[in-house]
Amino acid sequence: LAKTTQPISMDSYEGQEVNITCSHNNIATNDYITWYQQFPSQGPRFIIQGYKTKVTNEVASLFIPADRKSSTLSLPRVSLSDTAVYYCLVGPPNYGGSQGNLIFGKGTKLSVKP
Amino acid sequence: EAGVAQSPRYKIIEKRQSVAFWCNPISGHATLYWYQQILGQGPKLLIQFQNNGVVDDSQLPKDRFSAERLKGVDSTLKIQPAKLEDSAVYLCASSSPRLGRRQGSPLHFGNGTRLTVT
Repeated sequence: LAKTTQPISMDSYEGQEVNITCSHNNIATNDYITWYQQFPSQGPRFIIQGYKTKVTNEVASLFIPADRKSSTLSLPRVSLSDTAVYYCLVGPPNYGGSQGNLIFGKGTKLSVKP
Repeated sequence: EAGVAQSPRYKIIEKRQSVAFWCNPISGHATLYWYQQILGQGPKLLIQFQNNGVVDDSQLPKDRFSAERLKGVDSTLKIQPAKLEDSAVYLCASSSPRLGRRQGSPLHFGNGTRLTVT
């Protein structure tokens, strides 16, 4: 499975756009990129998943360049409640019964200040 | 839909004692996972079930950890005997097969059981 590298921590202020980049130089052809968010005392929560180019949902956008060796999670206009740890996972599709996108790294601790 | 339920929320035991954690996945989710999360680290996969069969338990310390999912729904993770280094949050997650989706299905996590071994 592809190894991922993320910044350990990031600081931001309310209302700013935050971009968290994940490096995954040995991503495989059938690997997808998935991001999770984790608040203290809670389990991780799925944010977004993509394969190439750009994916957007109501929470975030995911930008993936053509070589797919990195990806960037973009959080528009963050608030204090976006303070959390963000994990980037890279791996094959997680179908039941297969060893898919299941390996978490240390994540990026995002602190949003007023 | 109701989320993944876990109990107890907290547990404090002494080393060498035994402990069990319970998980009820989202209804209809055939795949169930147990993760261990040590403070300051990302979750580490311990075991993965597909229905009541084990898909992967390569990271499970089998000399002291055991897990079962007898009827393909609820699951129990047990530690016997516990060590100090087992202090962690134990997270249960489930996912739906959704074979129609190329990218597979994301994991849905419970809020975990925080275990303290003294």
